[in-house]
Amino acid sequence: NAGVTQTPKFQVLKTGQSMTLQCAQDMNHNSMYWYRQDPGMGLRLIYYSASEGTTDKGEVPNGYNVSRLNKREFSLRLESAAPSQTSVYFCASTVLGAPYEQYFGPGTRLTVT
Amino acid sequence: GEDVEQSLFLSVREGDSSVINCTYTDSSSTYLYWYKQEPGAGLQLLTYIFSNMDMKQDQRLTVLLNKKDKHLSLRIADTQTGDSAIYFCAAPLYNFNKFYFGSGTKLNVKP
Repeated sequence: NAGVTQTPKFQVLKTGQSMTLQCAQDMNHNSMYWYRQDPGMGLRLIYYSASEGTTDKGEVPNGYNVSRLNKREFSLRLESAAPSQTSVYFCASTVLGAPYEQYFGPGTRLTVT
Repeated sequence: GEDVEQSLFLSVREGDSSVINCTYTDSSSTYLYWYKQEPGAGLQLLTYIFSNMDMKQDQRLTVLLNKKDKHLSLRIADTQTGDSAIYFCAAPLYNFNKFYFGSGTKLNVKP
């Protein structure tokens, strides 16, 4: 059981470049999430997917798109990277049942220059 | 949405107790959570409390919930250097589709 996996671990982009962050979980969870973590700001929700085939915006969706490819995979795309998107990105999934624990991936550290 | 607030830093000496505080705004949260983040890693669930409880004890961890004041605290007894990490308080939306995290409290344990 690998849990939640994310690729890549590190990435440096130039302003205007695009990239996709990949996330997969092998726990058969319905809900998946993308967060960004910035110093002093905690975790902020970018997008979430309550089930396969559905996606919804979180607190900070501007500049991002997502795809819930199947039940296992949830990708995050930056179409035109900006320095303000320099952050650590975490994918998470949640078991549907008390206590609704969130399982997190190891994170992707993205720098946009 | 929900507002979850925490102080940013706490420094204690090894062997002392640590108390990390959190306030939240949505009284309908059925569970409240504490997550721990070690350097360079993702978050892991440390403990949680159901909203109809005032206190939950789990080995060195004690969670206190004051629903009236919407205040949650995490007490770590006999704090060790291995407890140095960032601790996040979290509260869910009523349908558990979203979770709101505090800014995280960085606990520094001095030997």
